[in-house]
Amino acid sequence: QVQLQESGPGLVKPSQTLSLTCTVSGGSISSGGYYWSWIRQHPGKGLEWIGCIYHTGSTNYNPSLKSRVIISVDTSKNQFSLKLSSVTAADTAVYYCARGGGYYDLLAGYLYGLYFDYWGQGTLVTVSS
Amino acid sequence: DVLMTQSPLSLPVTLGQPASISCRSSQSLVYSDGNTYLNWFQQRPGQSPRRLMYKVSNRDSGVPDRFSGSGSGTDFTLKISRVEAEDVGIYYCMQGAHWPPSFGQGTKLEIK
Repeated sequence: QVQLQESGPGLVKPSQTLSLTCTVSGGSISSGGYYWSWIRQHPGKGLEWIGCIYHTGSTNYNPSLKSRVIISVDTSKNQFSLKLSSVTAADTAVYYCARGGGYYDLLAGYLYGLYFDYWGQGTLVTVSS
Repeated sequence: DVLMTQSPLSLPVTLGQPASISCRSSQSLVYSDGNTYLNWFQQRPGQSPRRLMYKVSNRDSGVPDRFSGSGSGTDFTLKISRVEAEDVGIYYCMQGAHWPPSFGQGTKLEIK
């Protein structure tokens, strides 16, 4: 059974960089075949996909956040990470890491068919001075 | 971005009664490969989301058969044939046919 666990600071100051790590157990990121995503949920609101990474290091980001997001992977530790820069109060949310699948459309130049079948428990990150 | 619109946003249901949630997309979710990339997720109170359905009507492992998904193109429905107490939570539809993937705003199911 695949399990994911988010970790990182629960409080970040405005204008700083939010950094979170997701540790995967019960499965190997380096095995391939899956995309590893970050998804967030603003308090009392819906879900927003942030971006994902493949075991090769190939990334895909939501255009709405692309200028501030970096997702990286460390296959030796079976972890992947999120960095979100220049945060504001609007970035306060529960951040989830998730495993999923999808396909890459070479002609269109983007992922399609993305789904998320295993999720971490989520971690609340508050942006406040 | 493709807009996913769910209705109702709040759904009070009597135990044992059926429930139905609608999800409409601003563009067709049929991809050029012929598949329709519409998922349903359940988020119980205090828990992470859990996928219930993929490609409209395929139930995930462990999902009770009282849950069913249907629809095509831009109109989709999640049905619960007989609501049980454990079904309380928020239900989200999510499309994966267009970039970027996007979720509906959620439907909160509660027991009347």
